[in-house]
Amino acid sequence: AQSVSQHNHHVILSEAASLELGCNYSYGGTVNLFWYVQYPGQHLQLLLKYFSGDPLVKGIKGFEAEFIKSKFSFNLRKPSVQWSDTAEYFCAVDGSYIPTFGRGTSLIVHP
Amino acid sequence: NAGVTQTPKFRVLKTGQSMTLLCAQDMNHEYMYWYRQDPGMGLRLIHYSVGEGTTAKGEVPDGYNVSRLKKQNFLLGLESAAPSQTSVYFCASRNRDSYNEQFFGPGTRLTVL
Repeated sequence: AQSVSQHNHHVILSEAASLELGCNYSYGGTVNLFWYVQYPGQHLQLLLKYFSGDPLVKGIKGFEAEFIKSKFSFNLRKPSVQWSDTAEYFCAVDGSYIPTFGRGTSLIVHP
Repeated sequence: NAGVTQTPKFRVLKTGQSMTLLCAQDMNHEYMYWYRQDPGMGLRLIHYSVGEGTTAKGEVPDGYNVSRLKKQNFLLGLESAAPSQTSVYFCASRNRDSYNEQFFGPGTRLTVL
């Protein structure tokens, strides 16, 4: 069975601060990894994904994530956050056709 | 393309009432999913379908039933609503390959009194 753990449940930052959200997973085989973002009152949308190749993946709005296979991690980063990044962020792993989601990290960015 | 749509957007039920949530996608996706989202719990899978006419239970299936009579539609039914089913329900769809991301609907906010 696959599982996902997001370490930070609530993060509060000021604009221009750097962001790193942790995500660890467990799965015995090849996985595909995703970060989704949910802006207030909206549905989830894809931020970025990894399925093969370069372990450093770049997504929309300046976000990036690094897949470290040895650590079973897929941490999300952004060098300088903006107020508009206030949202909930979900890490997901998919080894078959049933993606498993982490519990989410609520990010609040103060202007 | 409308993507994934959900009907209704909001609903208030009394305990014991029944209702059906409709999810429709126009992307010809094989896989469809129903999730519920509760504060601090993330997304929990209720039921899913890997093709027309097939459904399977997810993590929290009790109290819900589903049907997928047409490829583009995935219905979620509550036969006898309970206050514990107060939640936001999201439908998602995806193409067959697991490296493809899911596309989510706008959600249905359900309150059971």
